[in-house]
Amino acid sequence: DSGVTQTPKHLITATGQRVTLRCSPRSGDLSVYWYQQSLDQGLQFLIQYYNGEERAKGNILERFSAQQFPDLHSELNLSSLELGDSALYFCASSVATGGGGTEAFFGQGTRLTVV
Amino acid sequence: SQQGEEDPQALSIQEGENATMNCSYKTSINNLQWYRQNSGRGLVHLILIRSNEREKHSGRLRVTLDTSKKSSSLLITASRAADTASYFCATALSSNTGKLIFGQGTTLQVKP
Repeated sequence: DSGVTQTPKHLITATGQRVTLRCSPRSGDLSVYWYQQSLDQGLQFLIQYYNGEERAKGNILERFSAQQFPDLHSELNLSSLELGDSALYFCASSVATGGGGTEAFFGQGTRLTVV
Repeated sequence: SQQGEEDPQALSIQEGENATMNCSYKTSINNLQWYRQNSGRGLVHLILIRSNEREKHSGRLRVTLDTSKKSSSLLITASRAADTASYFCATALSSNTGKLIFGQGTTLQVKP
């Protein structure tokens, strides 16, 4: 158990809908990362938050947004869903921003299926 | 595009044999990490090697890093059936963010 909790584990929704994925980081970790894993794109970095502020942005679509709350949990919002958004979405957390090299602890992921 | 490319894409060995996976990357890095993923589950961190390190060991794992060739290798010695999983290298480009760029992964099957 990594200590990172993601909910829900599975999500099936229709095209055009909006969903929210939730992540609780390990106790004490200030950084939260979101990754998308799909068969054709592999593991892609989406976005990082550190202590409530956006720290780094990757290939995140404009239809997607995220935030980190004062209690450090994070939510990833996916809207106007398309079939191609079907993927595993992982949240990870680490102690710091990454300075000097920090391992990341991954949650079990949310499997999103868009039908 | 992916920063890392892993080789081979798939590897099948017998229990007790050693498994070697290679990773190449394109740009300068702060550190390189290896992760394991069991069938559709979360990733588990295995080992981190910094750009000024050349070799690191952790139990049955040995990682090397050659920054001049922009490549790394992961060696798993005396493999076990439980080592069956996908292995990913991930590079951290900056010390200011823990953002990781993952390779496509190597799928390892260890036959009992």
